[in-house]
Amino acid sequence: SQQGEEDPQALSIQEGENATMNCSYKTSINNLQWYRQNSGRGLVHLILIRSNEREKHSGRLRVTLDTSKKSSSLLITASRAADTASYFCVINTGGFKTIFGAGTRLFVKA
Amino acid sequence: DSGVTQTPKHLITATGQRVTLRCSPRSGDLSVYWYQQSLDQGLQFLIQYYNGEERAKGNILERFSAQQFPDLHSELNLSSLELGDSALYFCASSATGSGRGTGELFFGEGSRLTVL
Repeated sequence: SQQGEEDPQALSIQEGENATMNCSYKTSINNLQWYRQNSGRGLVHLILIRSNEREKHSGRLRVTLDTSKKSSSLLITASRAADTASYFCVINTGGFKTIFGAGTRLFVKA
Repeated sequence: DSGVTQTPKHLITATGQRVTLRCSPRSGDLSVYWYQQSLDQGLQFLIQYYNGEERAKGNILERFSAQQFPDLHSELNLSSLELGDSALYFCASSATGSGRGTGELFFGEGSRLTVL
């Protein structure tokens, strides 16, 4: 399969809490990317982690990558209501197709 | 602003009709991707073009076709429309898309198609 699979499907937390979502995949990758989609809007690229990297930070986002387990996690710290969105992981295998999984729906309650 | 422009933003039409969705990629991006997103669903990959040539095909129906023109803009043609074709259609572009580079995608805001 050339796509990542996100887990959980949905997540509901209180504002200020941390949100963790996971991505698993089945093949070797060049990099893994996370995207956010606010309801009905276009996807926005959040962060990219290369296969030789283990952890990356961007503001309140922290991404980890474990290539031995073929998994990645996205941590959003101190979540805000504005973080309510769907989050998708995408794997780059060096091929042409860029396929998205079903995503994780995050709902942050104010 | 991603730099990717999609028109029209909204489109309402009847079953059996044909529509054309247009995408202008970011300046300099050679690769264009089309995705379909039905209500509350994930993104279905339809097709990818790179510098005018089709490079990858997903679950695109035979009633749908696409092309990328020499100026790199792309059009997605949907014909014999059915109620189930109602969806958001997204275009994305990337600098390479040839397997090299990071493959980061830049998305437009989508064209919302409603088939009545």
